[in-house]
Amino acid sequence: EPEVTQTPSHQVTQMGQEVILRCVPISNHLYFYWYRQILGQKVEFLVSFYNNEISEKSEIFDDQFSVERPDGSNFTLKIRSTKLEDSAMYFCASRETDSSGANVLTFGAGSRLTVL
Amino acid sequence: AQKVTQAQTEISVVEKEDVTLDCVYETRDTTYYLFWYKQPPSGELVFLIRRNSFDEQNEISGRYSWNFQKSTSSFNFTITASQVVDSAVYFCALDNYGQNFVFGPGTRLSVLP
Repeated sequence: EPEVTQTPSHQVTQMGQEVILRCVPISNHLYFYWYRQILGQKVEFLVSFYNNEISEKSEIFDDQFSVERPDGSNFTLKIRSTKLEDSAMYFCASRETDSSGANVLTFGAGSRLTVL
Repeated sequence: AQKVTQAQTEISVVEKEDVTLDCVYETRDTTYYLFWYKQPPSGELVFLIRRNSFDEQNEISGRYSWNFQKSTSSFNFTITASQVVDSAVYFCALDNYGQNFVFGPGTRLSVLP
């Protein structure tokens, strides 16, 4: 079954460093997402991406964050100058619209970011 | 604005008990989809079910069943004869054909042997 792949599974970084989280969405999907889940809390929307540009972003997704699809397969989330509060699980998702019109998000296994 | 409420933060049951997880949603849209996702201790998010707003027929899949009631804006999830492997956090989510899903805060289910 097709899946969304995320790397790394866990990254530890020092405060102030830049981090790039990588995702390979399902190949025929057109919409891509990043979500964040701080430990023990709810899953929060960060950004959606379609046709090589951001289609929507939340208030969490400020200038510290950026996304790109550099090569047509990878979808990356860059976090500049990381802060302690950026420690979280970051989920990538891609979306198909199936025959019923439902938007089913398929999530990757997540990348756990720990900022020290 | 869209909102999903899962009033039960944590539930503990003993194996083989039935358990119902509540979900109440808010939306102004007449067309929308509702979802349940499971997050086991390993951390990934696993899709369980979707329902569209036009189909209030309840659904059963093995030990899982879902009760969608538009009149009360609820989409409850029941696990029959719970098992230890059902222990996880369960998220209800709403999609109104917008760009992103709105997740509820989750209910942590612990099934004790």
